[in-house]
Amino acid sequence: GIQVEQSPPDLILQEGANSTLRCNFSDSVNNLQWFHQNPWGQLINLFYIPSGTKQNGRLSATTVATERYSLLYISSSQTTDSGVYFCAVELFRSYNTDKLIFGTGTRLQVFP
Amino acid sequence: SQTIHQWPATLVQPVGSPLSLECTVEGTSNPNLYWYRQAAGRGLQLLFYSVGIGQISSEVPQNLSASRPQDRQFILSSKKLLLSDSGFYLCAWTTRWGSMQADTEAFFGQGTRLTVV
Repeated sequence: GIQVEQSPPDLILQEGANSTLRCNFSDSVNNLQWFHQNPWGQLINLFYIPSGTKQNGRLSATTVATERYSLLYISSSQTTDSGVYFCAVELFRSYNTDKLIFGTGTRLQVFP
Repeated sequence: SQTIHQWPATLVQPVGSPLSLECTVEGTSNPNLYWYRQAAGRGLQLLFYSVGIGQISSEVPQNLSASRPQDRQFILSSKKLLLSDSGFYLCAWTTRWGSMQADTEAFFGQGTRLTVV
């Protein structure tokens, strides 16, 4: 099956620092999303980004589908950014699986 | 707007007891529905997904089952819980707009933290 790997697995930052999280996937995908899981376990949608670049405040994301990777940029990090960041992909529609497969996650800790 | 409800938020159950977790979606029709489990704070494993009433696909062999008695209701069950069933269970939905290339953004419920003792 498809492999979805994220790096780094853990990241520790001081408030104000910038960071880049990476998601690599091993097969063609129809959909890619980034989520932030807060300390209470809730999954918050950050980006729906099967291709291209999007920005939302201090966060931005880029997916290069032909090269099978996506990047999540966090600028001027804040303590509230702490948590686990997941990318999730859906296989290309021709496989007809309708499944969202999650990556391994990046645990981010931001200290004041 | 669409919302997804999942309950209960936390549950402590003895080994061998039955389980029923419920998920409902409002504001959309014919959603795809999913059950995920997360153990040890990282990694979501897809357990079941459903593309319609009565249609359930299982991803991994396990002590759990799922049912979809209504279009917007998805239930996760077990007849006898095991210690290894402990974890954080999340329900999710996506929508199809009928096109082969339609957007299918997924949204998640708040989750149920299950502890089997």
